[in-house]
Amino acid sequence: AQSVTQLGSHVSVSEGALVLLRCNYSSSVPPYLFWYVQYPNQGLQLLLKYTSAATLVKGINGFEAEFKKSETSFHLTKPSAHMSDAAEYFCAVSGRSNYQLIWGAGTKLIIKP
Amino acid sequence: DAMVIQNPRYQVTQFGKPVTLSCSQTLNHNVMYWYQQKSSQAPKLLFHYYDKDFNNEADTPDNFQSRRPNTSFCFLDIRSPGLGDAAMYLCATSSLAGRNYEQYFGPGTRLTVT
Repeated sequence: AQSVTQLGSHVSVSEGALVLLRCNYSSSVPPYLFWYVQYPNQGLQLLLKYTSAATLVKGINGFEAEFKKSETSFHLTKPSAHMSDAAEYFCAVSGRSNYQLIWGAGTKLIIKP
Repeated sequence: DAMVIQNPRYQVTQFGKPVTLSCSQTLNHNVMYWYQQKSSQAPKLLFHYYDKDFNNEADTPDNFQSRRPNTSFCFLDIRSPGLGDAAMYLCATSSLAGRNYEQYFGPGTRLTVT
C-alpha cells in the first residue's frame, strides 16, 4: 500500500533563508507526486506535481521539488523564504492506475522575521 | 475563470440538526470529492463520485451522505451533526484525462456545531 511521510510537523526558518520540506513515499512503482499549500481557512492549492517527466519540477511562488527514485523522496525547496510563505504544506501521492491521492500529515511552515 | 465553488463558507448548525453543504464546479470534471479536515490534520476523504458512480470510504460514518444531481453540483448531507463533526469540509474535482490526477479544491466550508 502506498504511504506518504512528511518529516517535521513544524518547520521554522528565517525570512530569506532556504526552505526545505521533506516528503518520502512508499510505492511499488514510481507514482505521481504532488505538493499542495493551504493558507488559513482556505482550500488547498497545487504548488507543483511530478508525473514522470523531468525529475526537477518547478512550481508556483518560487518553489521546486526533485523526484529521487533511489531515495523515494520528493522534497520541496525554495531558495529564499518570504513571510507570505507561512502556511501548511501537504505532500500527496497517487498510483499510476489509482487516481485517489494519499496525503502526508502536513508540515506547517513558520517564517521568522 | 474555471473554478470550484463552495457555499456557504461558514456554516453554524445545532447538534442533531441536519445540514447540507454544497459544491459546484465550472471545470466540467468527471470526479468530485468530499474531504473532512480537522485542525492541523491532512484532509480525510469521505467519498467521491466518478461521474454518477458513488464511492464511499469504508470508515465514513453513515451520518454522512452525498448527492450529485448533475456534473456540476455535489452536496454533502450530515443527517445528525455531532460536536465531533465540526471541521472544514473541502470539495475537490479532477478530470483524469491523460492520467491527470491533480485535484482542484474549493475554498472549503467551515462547519461549527453548537
